[in-house]
Amino acid sequence: QQQVKQSPQSLIVQKGGISIINCAYENTAFDYFPWYQQFPGKGPALLIAIRPDVSEKKEGRFTISFNKSAKQFSLHIMDSQPGDSATYFCAASRGNNAGNMLTFGGGTRLMVKP
Amino acid sequence: DTAVSQTPKYLVTQMGNDKSIKCEQNLGHDTMYWYKQDSKKFLKIMFSYNNKELIINETVPNRFSPKSPDKAHLNLHINSLELGDSAVYFCASSPGSRNQPQHFGDGTRLSIL
Repeated sequence: QQQVKQSPQSLIVQKGGISIINCAYENTAFDYFPWYQQFPGKGPALLIAIRPDVSEKKEGRFTISFNKSAKQFSLHIMDSQPGDSATYFCAASRGNNAGNMLTFGGGTRLMVKP
Repeated sequence: DTAVSQTPKYLVTQMGNDKSIKCEQNLGHDTMYWYKQDSKKFLKIMFSYNNKELIINETVPNRFSPKSPDKAHLNLHINSLELGDSAVYFCASSPGSRNQPQHFGDGTRLSIL
């Protein structure tokens, strides 16, 4: 059972456009929702994260929108650049004081065309 | 300085062998993790470990075992390797408090012949 579903699997955007990636989760106990960016041959790197008491969080060109009632959250990349071309993963976890085990979505391969 | 480092970067071995992957973090974090990324890029948690508890994902075969000599290291031992174990294995670490960012290593690509 896939607890975090991510779409689309791949996305092509023109330079300067907006990239939008969506995720839906099932477990209402999740209380932390990060997005990770992964380049080929590298490990995932944290991009931005949100907690369910906030509906939106913005850091530079990256914005997370969160809809708790719909159990959905999305990543918006404004003014997309070729350097943003990578695989993006949404994730969710229910943490405790020993840490948190992330459940990842299936990933979105983003290509930004010059 | 590399925050989370894994060795080796590539590991090619025969089916049935036993192998280990090493992981070290210099971030002073209390919790370390192992994740498996399959050929379709799907990432799945295998273990979470700190000095208080080991949490094992129930789908992980008992051929896989984490071993931690100290807080900065979490090694992954795999016995009786199978073809389906071929994947990229990522180590990560985070502070030992609720919902903190995890920092990942660059992975170990394991190929079973």
